[in-house]
Amino acid sequence: EDQVTQSPEALRLQEGESSSLNCSYTVSGLRGLFWYRQDPGKGPEFLFTLYSAGEEKEKERLKATLTKKESFLHITAPKPEDSATYLCAVQAGSVRANNLFFGTGTRLTVIP
Amino acid sequence: DAGITQSPRHKVTETGTPVTLRCHQTENHRYMYWYRQDPGHGLRLIHYSYGVKDTDKGEVSDGYSVSRSKTEDFLLTLESATSSQTSVYFCAISGGTGSYEQYFGPGTRLTVT
Repeated sequence: EDQVTQSPEALRLQEGESSSLNCSYTVSGLRGLFWYRQDPGKGPEFLFTLYSAGEEKEKERLKATLTKKESFLHITAPKPEDSATYLCAVQAGSVRANNLFFGTGTRLTVIP
Repeated sequence: DAGITQSPRHKVTETGTPVTLRCHQTENHRYMYWYRQDPGHGLRLIHYSYGVKDTDKGEVSDGYSVSRSKTEDFLLTLESATSSQTSVYFCAISGGTGSYEQYFGPGTRLTVT
């Protein structure tokens, strides 16, 4: 059965304190792994897509990496505005029509 | 929100009543999706559409139906609302071939009393 697990569930960081969020997955034939950011009361906002092990993508203070079993979202020198819930999703070979299977997210709080 | 609107944004309804949520896109994307988001469950797919009048079931489709008569509109109907359908509903769109990421609307908060 396809499964996506995100850890930790919640993370509190001081401003400037770098850290990583983890997304581990068990799927049949990964076609893509996606990271989203979600602010309270809003829809998820697309950040990155990773397609193959070893791939990395960066955007401002965020860098996403992918291995055959997990993905990391590295946050370098975070600012309070990076506070949000970060969602990981996978698209697998067994799923039709580009459907995504989501993890439950990591709620990040960055303290000034 | 990538040219996606949802209506209504908030709704309170009584158990047993039918409810229709609307998703409208201006991106001319082929694929459209309805998800629900509940604490501890993450986003779960209800139904999706891969073209006008072409729809299929997702992970949690019981009690829901959908229709897509135009490229830009995707309707989600709760045939007889129950308290377990209290949730936040998100619509998403996707461009299809070579572009798998989905873009989400602002959501509809539905409360069934």
